[in-house]
Amino acid sequence: DQQVKQNSPSLSVQEGRISILNCDYTNSMFDYFLWYKKYPAEGPTFLISISSIKDKNEDGRFTVFLNKSAKHLSLHIVPSQPGDSAVYFCAASADLFLGKLTFGKGITLSVRP
Amino acid sequence: DVKVTQSSRYLVKRTGEKVFLECVQDMDHENMFWYRQDPGLGLRLIYFSYDVKMKEKGDIPEGYSVSREKKERFSLILESASTNQTSMYLCASSLGTSGGAPLNEQYFGPGTRLTVT
Repeated sequence: DQQVKQNSPSLSVQEGRISILNCDYTNSMFDYFLWYKKYPAEGPTFLISISSIKDKNEDGRFTVFLNKSAKHLSLHIVPSQPGDSAVYFCAASADLFLGKLTFGKGITLSVRP
Repeated sequence: DVKVTQSSRYLVKRTGEKVFLECVQDMDHENMFWYRQDPGLGLRLIYFSYDVKMKEKGDIPEGYSVSREKKERFSLILESASTNQTSMYLCASSLGTSGGAPLNEQYFGPGTRLTVT
């Protein structure tokens, strides 16, 4: 049973426009959420996170929104740049001590020049 | 900067061989993790460790074992490699409970592309 779902496998946007990447989760115990970015032949790198006590966290061009009642989060990238083209993984944690993360399947973002 | 290194970027092994994948982190992190990444399946947790000599099964531990004799090193062992273990293997570490932020942020190594023929 997939607890973190990224239902759209890919997304293509024009450079300068907004990219919105969605993620849904089913486990009510998740209280911390992260987004990772991965380029081919490299390990994932941490992008941005949000605690369940917040509904928004912003870092430069990247903003994550959390809707706990809908068990939904989204990553907004504004403006999108060609260098943002990568696979984006949503991850969630229910165990602050162990730091164990549950990852979604990822979304491939392509930003067209 | 946190650095997580993996012993090989590419590895080709034969079916039935015993395979060792090594991972080292240099930031005194308590937690270490092994994942495999497959197309359409995302990152799946194989094993993790929250202390030396401690290990916990992840979501797909079958066919794998791990060893953590020192805090900085976490090894993944394929006892008898099979073709369905052909995959990208990713090691990660995280700080744990010793303060700092965010506790759950994991730092990944570059990955090992393992092919079993």
